[in-house]
Amino acid sequence: DSGVTQTPKHLITATGQRVTLRCSPRSGDLSVYWYQQSLDQGLQFLIHYYNGEERAKGNILERFSAQQFPDLHSELNLSSLELGDSALYFCASSPLQTSYEQYFGPGTRLTVT
Amino acid sequence: GQNIDQPTEMTATEGAIVQINCTYQTSGFNGLFWYQQHAGEAPTFLSYNVLDGLEEKGRFSSFLSRSKGYSYLLLKELQMKDSASYLCAVRDEQAGTALIFGKGTTLSVSS
Repeated sequence: DSGVTQTPKHLITATGQRVTLRCSPRSGDLSVYWYQQSLDQGLQFLIHYYNGEERAKGNILERFSAQQFPDLHSELNLSSLELGDSALYFCASSPLQTSYEQYFGPGTRLTVT
Repeated sequence: GQNIDQPTEMTATEGAIVQINCTYQTSGFNGLFWYQQHAGEAPTFLSYNVLDGLEEKGRFSSFLSRSKGYSYLLLKELQMKDSASYLCAVRDEQAGTALIFGKGTTLSVSS
């Protein structure tokens, strides 16, 4: 158990819908990263927040957005969902912005039908 | 941009040694990582190299050559529980402290 929690564990929804994935980092960790893992693309970096501020963006679609709240939990919002958005979404946390080790949560499996 | 290559699949037997190679191309290299991921589970950290050379941690070792853009993960005394996907990842200055992952190598260990 990494200490990172993600909810929900599974999510099934229809195309065109909007969902919110939630991540609580390890106690005291200020950095939260979001990753998407699909069968064909592997694990891809989406976005990084540090202490409430966006620090870096990866291959995140415009339909996706995220934020980190004052209590350091983070939410990833996915809208206008498409079949291709079906994937495992992981968040990871680390203590500082420059810390090298990232601790991954158990992931949310999103299925878009 | 970044490009990371590793073999898709490897097989080995219990007790053997296996080496998983990873080659990478980045514009601002800032560290190489190996993660282990069992099917349907979260990736777990195995090793980190930022300088050339070998880092040993129990049955696992990782090697880095920055001039060649090359790393390998060495697993000794293989056990059935080592059957998993092994992900090579780099940290690139363009992505800040985020990790850029290869597609992973699925290792199957048989008895």
